[in-house]
Amino acid sequence: ETGVTQTPRHLVMGMTNKKSLKCEQHLGHNAMYWYKQSAKKPLELMFVYSLEERVENNSVPSRFSPECPNSSHLFLHLHTLQPEDSALYLCASSQDQARYEQYFGPGTRLTVT
Amino acid sequence: TQLLEQSPQFLSIQEGENLTVYCNSSSVFSSLQWYRQEPGEGPVLLVTVVTGGEVKKLKRLTFQFGDARKDSSLHITAAQPGDTGLYLCAGDTRNNNAGNMLTFGGGTRLMVKP
Repeated sequence: ETGVTQTPRHLVMGMTNKKSLKCEQHLGHNAMYWYKQSAKKPLELMFVYSLEERVENNSVPSRFSPECPNSSHLFLHLHTLQPEDSALYLCASSQDQARYEQYFGPGTRLTVT
Repeated sequence: TQLLEQSPQFLSIQEGENLTVYCNSSSVFSSLQWYRQEPGEGPVLLVTVVTGGEVKKLKRLTFQFGDARKDSSLHITAAQPGDTGLYLCAGDTRNNNAGNMLTFGGGTRLMVKP
Protein backbone atom coordinates (compact mmCIF):
# COMPACT_ATOMS: atom_id res chain seq x y z
CA GLU A 1 0.00 0.00 0.00
CA THR A 2 1.34 3.41 -0.96
CA GLY A 3 2.29 5.40 2.16
CA VAL A 4 1.22 8.87 1.02
CA THR A 5 -1.39 9.40 -1.67
CA GLN A 6 -2.43 12.58 -3.41
CA THR A 7 -5.42 13.42 -5.57
CA PRO A 8 -5.85 14.55 -8.21
CA ARG A 9 -2.55 13.79 -9.92
CA HIS A 10 -3.16 16.45 -12.54
CA LEU A 11 -5.30 19.59 -12.38
CA VAL A 12 -5.93 22.38 -14.83
CA MET A 13 -7.84 25.36 -13.51
CA GLY A 14 -8.68 28.87 -14.52
CA MET A 15 -7.73 31.86 -12.42
CA THR A 16 -11.29 32.29 -11.15
CA ASN A 17 -11.83 28.66 -10.18
CA LYS A 18 -11.83 27.12 -6.71
CA LYS A 19 -10.33 23.68 -6.29
CA SER A 20 -8.85 21.52 -3.56
CA LEU A 21 -5.89 19.17 -3.41
CA LYS A 22 -6.10 16.16 -1.13
CA CYS A 23 -3.38 14.22 0.65
CA GLU A 24 -3.76 11.09 2.74
CA GLN A 25 -1.07 9.26 4.65
CA HIS A 26 -1.36 5.64 5.77
CA LEU A 27 1.78 5.61 7.91
CA GLY A 28 0.41 6.67 11.27
CA HIS A 29 2.46 9.86 11.19
CA ASN A 30 1.69 12.97 13.24
CA ALA A 31 3.15 15.70 11.03
CA MET A 32 2.18 16.64 7.48
CA TYR A 33 3.59 19.17 5.02
CA TRP A 34 2.77 20.94 1.77
CA TYR A 35 5.60 21.78 -0.64
CA LYS A 36 5.69 23.57 -3.98
CA GLN A 37 8.11 22.40 -6.65
CA SER A 38 8.62 24.75 -9.58
CA ALA A 39 10.99 24.41 -12.48
CA LYS A 40 14.41 25.89 -11.76
CA LYS A 41 13.64 26.47 -8.06
CA PRO A 42 14.30 24.32 -4.99
CA LEU A 43 11.43 22.65 -3.20
CA GLU A 44 9.63 25.30 -1.16
CA LEU A 45 7.97 24.46 2.13
CA MET A 46 4.49 26.01 2.29
CA PHE A 47 2.75 24.68 5.37
CA VAL A 48 3.46 22.37 8.31
CA TYR A 49 0.91 20.65 10.52
CA SER A 50 1.87 18.82 13.68
CA LEU A 51 -0.84 16.90 15.51
CA GLU A 52 -3.42 18.63 13.30
CA GLU A 53 -2.28 22.09 14.34
CA ARG A 54 -0.68 24.45 11.86
CA VAL A 55 2.78 25.33 13.10
CA GLU A 56 4.37 26.98 10.10
CA ASN A 57 3.23 29.20 7.26
CA ASN A 58 6.12 30.26 5.08
CA SER A 59 4.66 33.57 3.90
CA VAL A 60 2.35 31.81 1.51
CA PRO A 61 -0.28 33.97 -0.25
CA SER A 62 -3.78 33.72 1.15
CA ARG A 63 -5.07 32.26 -2.12
CA PHE A 64 -3.63 29.00 -0.73
CA SER A 65 -5.55 27.76 2.31
CA PRO A 66 -4.59 24.52 4.09
CA GLU A 67 -6.84 22.32 6.16
CA CYS A 68 -5.94 19.34 8.36
CA PRO A 69 -9.11 17.70 9.72
CA ASN A 70 -7.21 14.79 11.28
CA SER A 71 -3.70 13.39 11.37
CA SER A 72 -4.20 11.31 8.24
CA HIS A 73 -5.63 13.93 5.89
CA LEU A 74 -4.40 17.24 4.56
CA PHE A 75 -6.04 19.54 2.07
CA LEU A 76 -4.88 22.56 0.12
CA HIS A 77 -7.73 24.80 -0.98
CA LEU A 78 -7.01 26.94 -4.01
CA HIS A 79 -8.82 30.07 -5.21
CA THR A 80 -8.07 32.89 -7.61
CA LEU A 81 -4.66 31.49 -8.47
CA GLN A 82 -2.16 33.07 -10.84
CA PRO A 83 -0.34 31.42 -13.76
CA GLU A 84 2.90 31.55 -11.76
CA ASP A 85 1.29 29.20 -9.24
CA SER A 86 1.54 26.42 -11.80
CA ALA A 87 3.83 23.80 -10.25
CA LEU A 88 4.02 20.34 -8.72
CA TYR A 89 2.48 20.39 -5.25
CA LEU A 90 3.87 17.73 -2.97
CA CYS A 91 2.52 16.45 0.30
CA ALA A 92 4.78 14.77 2.85
CA SER A 93 4.49 13.30 6.31
CA SER A 94 6.85 12.45 9.14
CA GLN A 95 6.37 10.36 12.22
CA ASP A 96 6.66 13.11 14.80
CA GLN A 97 8.82 16.00 15.91
CA ALA A 98 11.72 13.73 16.81
CA ARG A 99 11.85 11.94 13.45
CA TYR A 100 13.42 13.78 10.54
CA GLU A 101 12.64 11.50 7.62
CA GLN A 102 9.83 12.74 5.44
CA TYR A 103 7.80 10.58 3.13
CA PHE A 104 6.41 12.21 0.02
CA GLY A 105 3.35 11.60 -2.07
CA PRO A 106 3.52 11.56 -5.88
CA GLY A 107 2.35 15.16 -6.16
CA THR A 108 -0.36 17.04 -8.01
CA ARG A 109 0.72 18.72 -11.25
CA LEU A 110 -1.22 22.00 -11.27
CA THR A 111 -1.60 24.20 -14.31
CA VAL A 112 -3.29 27.58 -13.94
CA THR A 113 -4.59 29.03 -17.21
CA THR B 1 17.48 31.91 5.19
CA GLN B 2 19.64 28.81 4.88
CA LEU B 3 20.81 27.91 1.40
CA LEU B 4 21.89 24.54 0.17
CA GLU B 5 23.79 24.54 -3.10
CA GLN B 6 24.09 21.40 -5.15
CA SER B 7 26.58 20.78 -7.90
CA PRO B 8 26.57 19.96 -10.65
CA GLN B 9 23.04 20.92 -11.66
CA PHE B 10 23.08 18.52 -14.61
CA LEU B 11 25.15 15.44 -15.29
CA SER B 12 25.01 13.11 -18.27
CA ILE B 13 27.27 10.08 -18.18
CA GLN B 14 27.68 6.65 -19.73
CA GLU B 15 26.72 3.46 -17.97
CA GLY B 16 29.60 2.18 -15.85
CA GLU B 17 31.10 5.56 -15.03
CA ASN B 18 31.54 6.92 -11.50
CA LEU B 19 30.21 10.26 -10.34
CA THR B 20 30.03 12.51 -7.30
CA VAL B 21 27.35 15.03 -6.42
CA TYR B 22 27.98 17.76 -3.87
CA CYS B 23 25.73 19.59 -1.44
CA ASN B 24 27.16 22.64 0.33
CA SER B 25 25.97 25.20 2.82
CA SER B 26 27.36 27.83 5.15
CA SER B 27 24.93 26.63 7.82
CA VAL B 28 25.17 23.71 10.20
CA PHE B 29 22.43 21.10 10.00
CA SER B 30 21.16 18.66 12.59
CA SER B 31 21.04 16.05 9.89
CA LEU B 32 21.07 15.84 6.13
CA GLN B 33 19.02 13.69 3.84
CA TRP B 34 19.36 12.59 0.24
CA TYR B 35 16.35 11.91 -1.94
CA ARG B 36 15.89 10.69 -5.50
CA GLN B 37 12.94 11.87 -7.55
CA GLU B 38 11.81 10.30 -10.80
CA PRO B 39 9.58 12.04 -13.33
CA GLY B 40 5.96 12.21 -12.23
CA GLU B 41 6.74 11.07 -8.70
CA GLY B 42 7.59 12.57 -5.35
CA PRO B 43 11.07 12.40 -3.80
CA VAL B 44 12.02 9.09 -2.21
CA LEU B 45 14.32 9.11 0.79
CA LEU B 46 17.65 7.36 0.18
CA VAL B 47 19.57 8.03 3.38
CA THR B 48 19.87 10.26 6.43
CA VAL B 49 23.25 11.24 7.86
CA VAL B 50 23.46 12.69 11.33
CA THR B 51 27.00 12.62 12.69
CA GLY B 52 29.81 14.79 11.31
CA GLY B 53 32.11 12.65 9.18
CA GLU B 54 29.55 9.88 8.89
CA VAL B 55 29.71 7.63 5.84
CA LYS B 56 26.80 5.46 4.75
CA LYS B 57 26.64 3.02 1.89
CA LEU B 58 23.59 1.90 -0.03
CA LYS B 59 24.71 -0.66 -2.62
CA ARG B 60 26.65 1.40 -5.18
CA LEU B 61 25.85 4.72 -3.48
CA THR B 62 28.14 6.21 -0.83
CA PHE B 63 27.00 9.18 1.22
CA GLN B 64 29.25 11.31 3.39
CA PHE B 65 28.42 14.06 5.86
CA GLY B 66 31.09 16.72 6.33
CA ASP B 67 32.90 16.92 9.65
CA ALA B 68 31.32 20.31 10.39
CA ARG B 69 27.84 19.11 9.26
CA LYS B 70 27.66 21.83 6.61
CA ASP B 71 28.15 19.74 3.50
CA SER B 72 27.61 16.31 2.06
CA SER B 73 28.49 14.26 -0.98
CA LEU B 74 26.93 11.38 -2.87
CA HIS B 75 29.19 9.10 -4.85
CA ILE B 76 27.80 6.55 -7.29
CA THR B 77 30.03 3.75 -8.49
CA ALA B 78 29.46 2.10 -11.87
CA ALA B 79 26.32 4.09 -12.63
CA GLN B 80 23.40 2.32 -14.29
CA PRO B 81 20.47 3.68 -16.32
CA GLY B 82 18.23 2.95 -13.33
CA ASP B 83 20.15 5.62 -11.38
CA THR B 84 18.72 8.30 -13.67
CA GLY B 85 16.72 10.89 -11.78
CA LEU B 86 16.80 14.11 -9.78
CA TYR B 87 18.95 13.87 -6.66
CA LEU B 88 18.02 16.24 -3.86
CA CYS B 89 19.80 16.99 -0.63
CA ALA B 90 17.86 18.43 2.28
CA GLY B 91 19.18 19.85 5.52
CA ASP B 92 17.21 19.53 8.71
CA THR B 93 16.78 22.56 10.93
CA ARG B 94 15.19 21.26 14.06
CA ASN B 95 12.26 23.29 15.38
CA ASN B 96 10.91 21.90 18.60
CA ASN B 97 7.51 23.47 18.00
CA ALA B 98 7.08 22.43 14.42
CA GLY B 99 8.71 19.10 13.88
CA ASN B 100 11.52 18.98 11.46
CA MET B 101 11.94 21.63 8.80
CA LEU B 102 13.78 20.66 5.66
CA THR B 103 15.67 23.07 3.42
CA PHE B 104 16.17 21.56 -0.01
CA GLY B 105 18.96 22.07 -2.46
CA GLY B 106 18.24 22.83 -6.10
CA GLY B 107 18.92 19.26 -7.15
CA THR B 108 21.25 17.44 -9.52
CA ARG B 109 19.61 15.97 -12.58
CA LEU B 110 21.46 12.80 -13.53
CA MET B 111 21.10 10.92 -16.77
CA VAL B 112 22.89 7.62 -17.25
CA LYS B 113 23.01 6.48 -20.85
CA PRO B 114 23.18 2.77 -21.71
